[in-house]
Amino acid sequence: GNSVTQMEGPVTLSEEAFLTINCTYTATGYPSLFWYVQYPGEGLQLLLKATKADDKGSNKGFEATYRKETTSFHLEKGSVQVSDSAVYFCALSDPSTNAGKSTFGDGTTLTVKP
Amino acid sequence: DTAVSQTPKYLVTQMGNDKSIKCEQNLGHDTMYWYKQDSKKFLKIMFSYNNKELIINETVPNRFSPKSPDKAHLNLHINSLELGDSAVYFCASSLSDSGNTIYFGEGSWLTVV
Repeated sequence: GNSVTQMEGPVTLSEEAFLTINCTYTATGYPSLFWYVQYPGEGLQLLLKATKADDKGSNKGFEATYRKETTSFHLEKGSVQVSDSAVYFCALSDPSTNAGKSTFGDGTTLTVKP
Repeated sequence: DTAVSQTPKYLVTQMGNDKSIKCEQNLGHDTMYWYKQDSKKFLKIMFSYNNKELIINETVPNRFSPKSPDKAHLNLHINSLELGDSAVYFCASSLSDSGNTIYFGEGSWLTVV
């Protein structure tokens, strides 16, 4: 079956530090890959996505590249801010599985200190 | 103009009670979901409906019953609430084509005492 494994948290960084949250996946087909972010007290919202190998998703200074050879989709940001403190979820959607079912990682909690 | 709205946002109730959470989406999506998030932030899908038909029913106690009166609504009814049901429940929606973004509501914080 499909699975998503992401870096365990929590992660604590100082403002302006470099961020990497690792994400690897297993899938039977050719999935689309996503990063969702959940700010405190809110629901998840899409941060970025990539639909095929070598695509790079980017938004709000965050980037992730779909690497089929390493089955990875690591999230990076060059300089984090306090406002980036949130829980980050890596996810995949695989058309070869049940329609409408996405697979989520366990989430990584990021805290950025001033 | 909230895309996915769910009510109530907070719910505190006693063990053994029955409660419902309502969800509506105005995005024109044909697929709706219920997810459960525990205190460790783990997210688990409970149900998924496509055009009012149940397509995903994960291992969820029979006390949980979803109802979809139309494509824009998916309600969750919970019978005989237990302490372990305390969690945040998220409604969500998407277009059925795989690869499409899932849009989440703001969550319903359920506390069973």
